[in-house]
Parts: sequence; C-alpha cells; structure tokens
Amino acid sequence: AQSVTQPDIHITVSEGASLELRCNYSYGATPYLFWYVQSPGQGLQLLLKYFSGDTLVQGIKGFEAEFKRSQSSFNLRKPSVHWSDAAEYFCAVGVGGQGGKLIFGQGTELSVKP
Amino acid sequence: DAGVIQSPRHEVTEMGQEVTLRCKPISGHDYLFWYRQTMMRGLELLIYFNNNVPIDDSGMPEDRFSAKMPNASFSTLKIQPSEPRDSAVYFCASSPLGPAGELFFGEGSRLTVL
Repeated sequence: AQSVTQPDIHITVSEGASLELRCNYSYGATPYLFWYVQSPGQGLQLLLKYFSGDTLVQGIKGFEAEFKRSQSSFNLRKPSVHWSDAAEYFCAVGVGGQGGKLIFGQGTELSVKP
Repeated sequence: DAGVIQSPRHEVTEMGQEVTLRCKPISGHDYLFWYRQTMMRGLELLIYFNNNVPIDDSGMPEDRFSAKMPNASFSTLKIQPSEPRDSAVYFCASSPLGPAGELFFGEGSRLTVL
C-alpha cells in the first residue's frame, strides 16, 4: 500500500542548530515529493518539491531536501534554525502521475528553543 | 497575487444546523480540492474538482456532506445537518497540474459544532 511516514511527531531544536526532519514513503515507482509548512492558524505553504532531476532540491526559507531512492526517503534539512521556523511540517507524496493522488504524512511539529 | 480565499475563517454553530464553507481558487487553476484536518486523522482529502466537475468524492464522509463548483472561481462545501464530530479545519486548495502535484492552500475555515 502507498504510504508516507514521518517518524518524528515532535522535535525540539535550539535556535541556530541544524535540523533534519525525516520522511519515508512506500510506493513502487518514483513519486513526486513535497514538503509543506503550516504555521499556527494558517494554511499549508509549499517549501520545496521534487519531480525529477537533481536529487538535492533547494526551497524557500533556507530549507533543502534530498531524495534518496535507495532509502525511499526525502528528508528535509536546514543548517541553522530560526525561532520563526517553529511550525508543523508535512511531507507529501504524489503517486500515480499527475492524475493520481497526494498522500500526506502525519506531520512533525518543530519547536525552537531560544 | 491573490491566493486561495476561504470564508468564513471561523464558524461556531450548533448541532443540526447547516454549515456552508466557501472557496475562491487561484485564477487559472483547473483543480480544486477540499481537505479536512483533525488531530486524530490528519489531512484528509474530501473531494476534488477538475474544470468544475467533481472527479473523486470518495473521501466525503457521508451524505450530510456535499460540495459544488458552479463556476471556475467559486466552490462550496456544505454540511447539513452538522454534528460535533464535524468539528475540524477545512482547507480548500487549488492546483494548475493535478491531484498529485503542487497544491496551493487557503488559510482554512475552522468549524466548531457544539
């Protein structure tokens, strides 16, 4: 079955520290891959996406993610976290081509310590 | 550029009342989606439209829920009669590509049914 797993429900990091949020998927082909961020009371905003090509993708707000086919993973990273990065982060996987469907992970809530 | 616009942002109603949520997608986007977000179930796709036609409504919980898209710039999600378990944040999203591609989300309508 197609699925997306974000193993960490909640992560706390210190401001200025590096961040890595994990995302694993189960799908028989290469999917479209996305990371979204949701601040409290807001909708989801796209951070970055992977469709094909270079497996290291750059996004907004200093985030990047790397697609690793062998590990079925698409982990999100940021070298230095800012307090404003505190939010919920969702990994999403598009399966079945453009006419398929988007599967969201359960989300990882990020807290940032001063 | 105007994003996806949803109204109302907050709705508090009593059980048994009719609720109508509204959405204006981004101009030029052929796909419109309604999602529901709860703590227990995360993000659930309720229904999506392509060129104003409902394509997949398998996520609509039950007959109390209905959605329409009378034209390319307007959609409604109606719950009649509402129940406390319908309390959630309802998101509208639009996309130029398809259900497995990048989605642009509105800020959501928070519904509380007492």
